[in-house]
Amino acid sequence: NAGVMQNPRHLVRRRGQEARLRCSPMKGHSHVYWYRQLPEEGLKFMVYLQKENIIDESGMPKERFSAEFPKEGPSILRIQQVVRGDSAAYFCASSSLAGGSKTGELFFGEGSRLTVL
Amino acid sequence: DAKTTQPTSMDCAEGRAANLPCNHSTISGNEYVYWYRQIHSQGPQYIIHGLKNNETNEMASLIITEDRKSSTLILPHATLRDTAVYYCIVGGSNYKLTFGKGTLLTVNP
Repeated sequence: NAGVMQNPRHLVRRRGQEARLRCSPMKGHSHVYWYRQLPEEGLKFMVYLQKENIIDESGMPKERFSAEFPKEGPSILRIQQVVRGDSAAYFCASSSLAGGSKTGELFFGEGSRLTVL
Repeated sequence: DAKTTQPTSMDCAEGRAANLPCNHSTISGNEYVYWYRQIHSQGPQYIIHGLKNNETNEMASLIITEDRKSSTLILPHATLRDTAVYYCIVGGSNYKLTFGKGTLLTVNP
């Protein structure tokens, strides 16, 4: 009964490269959420996706960041032209109930730690 | 979303109850109180949430004051594995969560 799977767990990129982080939700979950935890700060919501749809991207930086959750395969958070300030832990969560339902708990993955040199 | 205030750290003896306070004096009527915890280097783990009434599940109890301006998370019999950072989050959405600094609970043998 696998939980939320994220990979890679650790990723090192040089400034200007692209970073792709993958998230497979728990079995039976169709709602995926991404969060970012900057060093010495708490997690902050970035984006909420359902299959093939972005439901809420109000927490996403306006440039260089994008997310998708295709019909088949994992959700992907993509960061283009990374900068040092993108160094952070990126967490994915999933739920069986729709976000905002008030009763749905979120299940988090172990996170992907991005280091930009 | 309303802000929360939590102590930076707390200690608890193994086997005793751990009572973690949280102030949220600016909470509005439709906002819930959520508690998550994060064990070092792992993803957050949901504990419990509530609106007005006290709640209990297999992990913990949540006591919310009548005016809803503060709450207490109770771990009835703390174990060493409960050592973690505990986050009290207030919001109208179960996913648009902003985690603050939380309380580092250390359970001592």
